[in-house]
Amino acid sequence: DTGVSQNPRHKITKRGQNVTFRCDPISEHNRLYWYRQTLGQGPEFLTYFQNEAQLEKSRLLSDRFSAERPKGSFSTLEIQRTEQGDSAMYLCASSPDFETQYFGPGTRLTVL
Amino acid sequence: AQRVTQPEKLLSVFKGAPVELKCNYSYSGSPELFWYVQYSRQRLQLLLRHISRESIKGFTADLNKGETSFHLKKPFAQEEDSAMYYCALSTSGANSKLTFGKGITLSVRP
Repeated sequence: DTGVSQNPRHKITKRGQNVTFRCDPISEHNRLYWYRQTLGQGPEFLTYFQNEAQLEKSRLLSDRFSAERPKGSFSTLEIQRTEQGDSAMYLCASSPDFETQYFGPGTRLTVL
Repeated sequence: AQRVTQPEKLLSVFKGAPVELKCNYSYSGSPELFWYVQYSRQRLQLLLRHISRESIKGFTADLNKGETSFHLKKPFAQEEDSAMYYCALSTSGANSKLTFGKGITLSVRP
């Protein structure tokens, strides 16, 4: 499968713990996006990268959230001190320049 | 700020019936509009974008700037069209951030 991949697919954690998700974009896609989707809602934009540069962050991305794309390839999204409100599906997408976004399968986070 | 509204959560039709999934947007500039689809246990995928003016799987959507709408239509629904459909807006082209509506579930009964 040469599409966008995300790991893990599911994560259950206790409140207060840190979690990290990984996204591997389609090869040579220089743009990478993170979205969050809660039950009954559409995906909501969190942040995006052009190569290794983080170009925009949503107000949804609190100080507990950090995203990196160190070599312009894969990206990680870390949530520190998780809260129950962080429970959601975290989606990653990638695109080449001026083209549409291709989504990964998502990582479902459950915070107990 | 931009917003996408999908006023209905569920549309249930019989096979062969026409389908119209509604989408309204608010944005003061010239947005680009998309429809994304998510079939059961599959990832979100692009169905169509307004600038391409294509018909994909028999679906079409016309951007109406006067009514700020981008409704998705299909004249004869098929069972395999059953899925979740999201309308989305971009303010700076296909590869900038997307603002999604809440989505609508289309159920096509045999």
